[in-house]
Amino acid sequence: DTAVSQTPKYLVTQMGNDKSIKCEQNLGHDTMYWYKQDSKKFLKIMFSYNNKELIINETVPNRFSPKSPDKAHLNLHINSLELGDSAVYFCASSQRREGLGYTFGSGTRLTVV
Amino acid sequence: AQSVTQLGSHVSVSEGALVLLRCNYSSSVPPYLFWYVQYPNQGLQLLLKYTSAATLVKGINGFEAEFKKSETSFHLTKPSAHMSDAAEYFCAVRDFGNEKLTFGTGTRLTIIP
Repeated sequence: DTAVSQTPKYLVTQMGNDKSIKCEQNLGHDTMYWYKQDSKKFLKIMFSYNNKELIINETVPNRFSPKSPDKAHLNLHINSLELGDSAVYFCASSQRREGLGYTFGSGTRLTVV
Repeated sequence: AQSVTQLGSHVSVSEGALVLLRCNYSSSVPPYLFWYVQYPNQGLQLLLKYTSAATLVKGINGFEAEFKKSETSFHLTKPSAHMSDAAEYFCAVRDFGNEKLTFGTGTRLTIIP
């Protein structure tokens, strides 16, 4: 009964590869997010989708491309992975305009070698 | 842009002692404010939130926070620390009508037996 689930939990890959992280929520929320947490635990928003529409697109390299096939899913595809992409990526969801916080997934630890 | 400042990247308290984690926000208009906790290798869990109702907000695990507009603060407290409280704590802010949740840099809480 996980509310926000991400797969995979761990991802180790070589520089230059392309990888995807998947996220699904079963809370009925209409908005989903991707956050990046660096080695110093700093959390920074990357993208947000509301009902499949991109509403937040922070300064993120073009190698990162989110895709939302429906409002319950938000995937993150990363091309040409670099060492600096190593981080923990968190998916989250919320209901827009209710002043609520987000519900977070358990994270995907990406290590680029 | 909205921001939050967490004073003290590391806080250590003895078991049974008062926990005080500090958070100040930058907006002149009271926003939505949140405290999240992150246990090792886990996602973020919502502790409590302020959404312009009561200024003293009670959360899970015995934590509470008080919104003080005059000080632009939203400090997190717990009367008696427990070993299980050891974790990273994040303050976050969200403006009205804004989807983005902006996090502070986090405070690592260590409990001394």
